[in-house]
Amino acid sequence: AQSVTQLDSQVPVFEEAPVELRCNYSSSVSVYLFWYVQYPNQGLQLLLKYLSGSTLVKGINGFEAEFNKSQTSFHLRKPSVHISDTAEYFCAVRRATSGTYKYIFGTGTRLKVLA
Amino acid sequence: NAGVTQTPKFQVLKTGQSMTLQCAQDMNHEYMSWYRQDPGMGLRLIHYSVGAGITDQGEVPNGYNVSRSTTEDFPLRLLSAAPSQTSVYFCASSPPGSYNSPLHFGNGTRLTVT
Repeated sequence: AQSVTQLDSQVPVFEEAPVELRCNYSSSVSVYLFWYVQYPNQGLQLLLKYLSGSTLVKGINGFEAEFNKSQTSFHLRKPSVHISDTAEYFCAVRRATSGTYKYIFGTGTRLKVLA
Repeated sequence: NAGVTQTPKFQVLKTGQSMTLQCAQDMNHEYMSWYRQDPGMGLRLIHYSVGAGITDQGEVPNGYNVSRSTTEDFPLRLLSAAPSQTSVYFCASSPPGSYNSPLHFGNGTRLTVT
């Protein structure tokens, strides 16, 4: 079985400062990794995904994440945040096998960008 | 570009009442699923479907029923609402052959059971 841990439930950061949102996963099989963002009163939108290849993945809105297999981590980073980045961020995993569809989500990290 | 459409957006029920949350997608996605989102618990999978006529249980299926008679629609039924079912419900879908494709989410239904 897979599981996802997002240790930080809330992360406050000042505007234009860098931020890192942590995600660790556990799985006995290969997985695909995703970060989703949820703005207030909306559904989740895909930020970026890691399927294979380069371990540094770039997504929308200036976000990037690095897959670290030895540490089973997929931390999300942005070098300079904006007020508009205030949202909740979810890390998710899915088995890297065709015919499987289940996603396992973390509990989310609420990013609050302060002026 | 309708995407995934959920109705209603808000609903208040009394304990014991039943209702159906609607989900429709116009992208010809085979895979559809229902999640509930609760504070501090992230998203938990209720039921999912890999095509018309095929459904299966997720992590928290008790108290909910689903059916999939068409590719487009995947309604979620609450048989006898309980306060523990107060939550935000999301429907999500993925394209065919989509083992590496992301989920497309609706905007959610906020349900309160009193």
